[in-house]
Amino acid sequence: KQEVTQIPAALSVPEGENLVLNCSFTDSAIYNLQWFRQDPGKGLTSLLLIQSSQREQTSGRLNASLDKSSGRSTLYIAASQPGDSATYLCAVSLRTSGTYKYIFGTGTRLKVLA
Amino acid sequence: DAGVIQSPRHEVTEMGQEVTLRCKPISGHDYLFWYRQTMMRGLELLIYFNNNVPIDDSGMPEDRFSAKMPNASFSTLKIQPSEPRDSAVYFCASSLGGLIGYTFGSGTRLTVV
Repeated sequence: KQEVTQIPAALSVPEGENLVLNCSFTDSAIYNLQWFRQDPGKGLTSLLLIQSSQREQTSGRLNASLDKSSGRSTLYIAASQPGDSATYLCAVSLRTSGTYKYIFGTGTRLKVLA
Repeated sequence: DAGVIQSPRHEVTEMGQEVTLRCKPISGHDYLFWYRQTMMRGLELLIYFNNNVPIDDSGMPEDRFSAKMPNASFSTLKIQPSEPRDSAVYFCASSLGGLIGYTFGSGTRLTVV
């Protein structure tokens, strides 16, 4: 059974710091991995999607890497801003019954202090 | 497109009552997912549909939960009878081909007292 773990559960940093969020999964037979952002009281917004054949994806100040063999992904946020404060979730896709679905981690709650 | 639309945004009900949550997926998406989010268990997949047909309902916690998708533009998640432990945020998501354009609604916050 695929399990997705995110460490740390919560993180508080001063504005301007570079930070790394970690995601690990137990079954390396994934189709892709996606990082989402969730603001309080809101739904999830997709940030970055990495296909299983890729090593990393970048979007602005965000960079996500994937190491399938070790079952790990990291989300790197450069020059953090108070607006980055949110919960970040990673999700891995697996194939089941001929279709695909995502299994989510429990998230990292990030607070960037001004 | 207005995105995935869920209603109501908030629902407070008494234990034992029937609760119906609604979802309108993005037009053209062929997959629809229902998730439940709690502090203790995180985001859990309850059930998903492909072309209006339920594919995997193994995440549905009990027989009190049921979901339908009568057409491509509407789905419901029903809880009957509701219990306090059902209190959570319920999300609906839709996608194309299972993983493309995975989009979440804003969720329904359910409180059962």
